[in-house]
Formats: sequence, structure tokens, C-alpha cells
Amino acid sequence: QVQLQESGPGLVKPSGTLSLTCAVSGGSISSSNWWNWVRQPPGKGLEWIGEIYHSGSTTYNPSLKSRVTISLDKSKNQFSLNLNSVTAADTAMYYCAREVVSDAFDIWGQGTMVTVSS
Amino acid sequence: QSALTQPASVSGSPGQSITMSCTGTSSDVGNYNYVSWYQQHPGKAPKLMIYEVSNRPSGVPDRFSGSKSGNTASLTISGLQAEDEADYYCGSYSSTSTSRFGGGTKLTVL
Repeated sequence: QVQLQESGPGLVKPSGTLSLTCAVSGGSISSSNWWNWVRQPPGKGLEWIGEIYHSGSTTYNPSLKSRVTISLDKSKNQFSLNLNSVTAADTAMYYCAREVVSDAFDIWGQGTMVTVSS
Repeated sequence: QSALTQPASVSGSPGQSITMSCTGTSSDVGNYNYVSWYQQHPGKAPKLMIYEVSNRPSGVPDRFSGSKSGNTASLTISGLQAEDEADYYCGSYSSTSTSRFGGGTKLTVL
């Protein structure tokens, strides 16, 4: 049973960089899946951030592309999110998720809340 | 990129059926059968309920069904139960090789 677990700082200063990691357990990050990041501002809907394949190929939300980097570490079986130049608008619950087929996310982490504030 | 359009809320009584919509464009919902639906209870992560327009993952009750016509996808829940009360999000693949979600629909079981 594949499980995902997000980790990282819960508070980031404005103009700083948000860095999160998603640890994959019960399976290999090298499997034929895309690994995604999704966020949800308080009281609002889901926003897709981007994804990475085990080959290292990435795709990003055009609205965030200039600030986002997603990478993976096969030795640690995890993938990461970096979002730079953050503002209060980046305050959200951040989820990592596995995309199994056809753009469907079948496994989600529990989420980690990140607040951007000085 | 624009989010898919969902009604803010729908409601129904226990035992009834409800249908909620998800409207996109010819660049996403209308051009791909890669529409998914997610259920999210307060304080919880989303749960995949439907993928590829109408397929249910193992463990999802057959009370949940999906369909699509043109640029609009729909989720129908029959035999409403109290535990179905949640937020529901649709998602779709798009022609720019990206994913997008709807704004979400809050389902209230009266």
C-alpha cells in the first residue's frame, strides 16, 4: 500500500522560498507514475501546482511556472517542491499526490499547512 | 489557466439522487475522457471517486456514477447518505498537458 507523507516548514517569510518534501513509502518513486503537488488555500478550492515523472520530466501550472521547481531523489524515494518569491497568497494546505492513470490522483498525502507571514 | 466551473452548492435528502456538473472547454473536458471526481470531507485529503469520466476505483460505492456530454461532465450520487455530505471537486487533463480542477461543489444532505 503506497503512502505519501509531506514535510517541511509550516511558516515561510514573504519573498522567501517554500520547500516541501513528499516521502513515498510502500512503493517505488521509479514506478510508472507521475508525482504531483496540489495546494488548497484556506476555505478555497484545489489548485494543481505541477508534476514530475521518474525520468525527471516535469510539467507545471503556467500560472506558477516561473516560481516552481519540482525535483525527485530516487535514493531517498521522495520528491520535492520549491516555490520561490512567496507572498501571502501562497498560504495554503499543500498536498502531494500520485497520478495513477489518465490524470487521476489516487493516493494523497495528509497535507501540510504552510503559512506565509513575517 | 482557468479552473473548471462547478456550482457552489447542491443539496438533497437521504435516499434521493443528486447530480452536480463540471463545465470546461474544448481544450479540456470536451476533448479528453480524462475527467475525475474527488470527495473531500472537512480537514481531510481529497479522495478519488471517479476517473476517466465514469470509472470507479475499487471500494467506491456504485451509488457514485459519472458521465460527460460535450464540455460538461457530471457526477451523480444516488441513494444519498449522510456521509456523502462533503465538498466535491472535478478535475481534467488539458491540451497544454496540465491538470486543472473545478472550484468545488458543497453537497449538503438535508
